[in-house]
Amino acid sequence: GQNIDQPTEMTATEGAIVQINCTYQTSGFNGLFWYQQHAGEAPTFLSYNVLDGLEEKGRFSSFLSRSKGYSYLLLKELQMKDSASYLCAGPSSNTGKLIFGQGTTLQVKP
Amino acid sequence: DVKVTQSSRYLVKRTGEKVFLECVQDMDHENMFWYRQDPGLGLRLIYFSYDVKMKEKGDIPEGYSVSREKKERFSLILESASTNQTSMYLCASSNRAGAFFGQGTRLTVV
Repeated sequence: GQNIDQPTEMTATEGAIVQINCTYQTSGFNGLFWYQQHAGEAPTFLSYNVLDGLEEKGRFSSFLSRSKGYSYLLLKELQMKDSASYLCAGPSSNTGKLIFGQGTTLQVKP
Repeated sequence: DVKVTQSSRYLVKRTGEKVFLECVQDMDHENMFWYRQDPGLGLRLIYFSYDVKMKEKGDIPEGYSVSREKKERFSLILESASTNQTSMYLCASSNRAGAFFGQGTRLTVV
C-alpha cells in the first residue's frame, strides 16, 4: 500500500526551531501537503510541495526530496499557539486519493 | 479565498436514523473527499469523488454511501446511523494547486 510515516509526538521550546519529518513511498505520490490542526478543529492548509527544494512562508518552511521520498516542515521562532498536530499528506498519482500520515503532535513549552 | 462549507458543525442523531452530511465547495475542484477522524486513528478516508457522478471507496466505506450530482456538492449518507459512527467528519476538495477542508461536523449518534 501507500504509506506515509511521521513521528507521533514532538516537544520543543518557545522561540526555538523544530523540524517535523515525513517519509513516503517514492513512486506513489504527486507532491506532498502539510496541514496544521488544532484540537477540535479542521486541518488548515500550510503548504504543497510538488518540486524538490525548500519553500518558505514566513515562519514556516517545507522541503521535499522526491528521489528520497522525504519531506519536512520547519517551524521557526516557535510560539505557544504553534502547539497542534501537523499532518503530511500525499495525493496519489494513480488514484487521486489524498492519503494522510498519522500526524505529529507538537507541544511547545515555555 | 477557497471555501469548503459543511452543512452542520454539530449534529446529534438517534440510532437507526438516516443521516445526510452535505459539503459544498466554490473553487470548481474536481476531487472531493469525506474523512472521519477519531482519537488515535488519524484521518481515515471513507469515499472520494474525482468527477460528477463518479465515486470511489476509501478505506472504511462500510455503513456509508455518497452522492455527487453536481460538481460543487458531495454528500455523505449514513443509511442507518449506529453509535460507532460517532465521530468528527471532514470534507475536503482539491485540484493540482491544493487541498482544503471544511470546518468539520461532529456527529454524535445516541
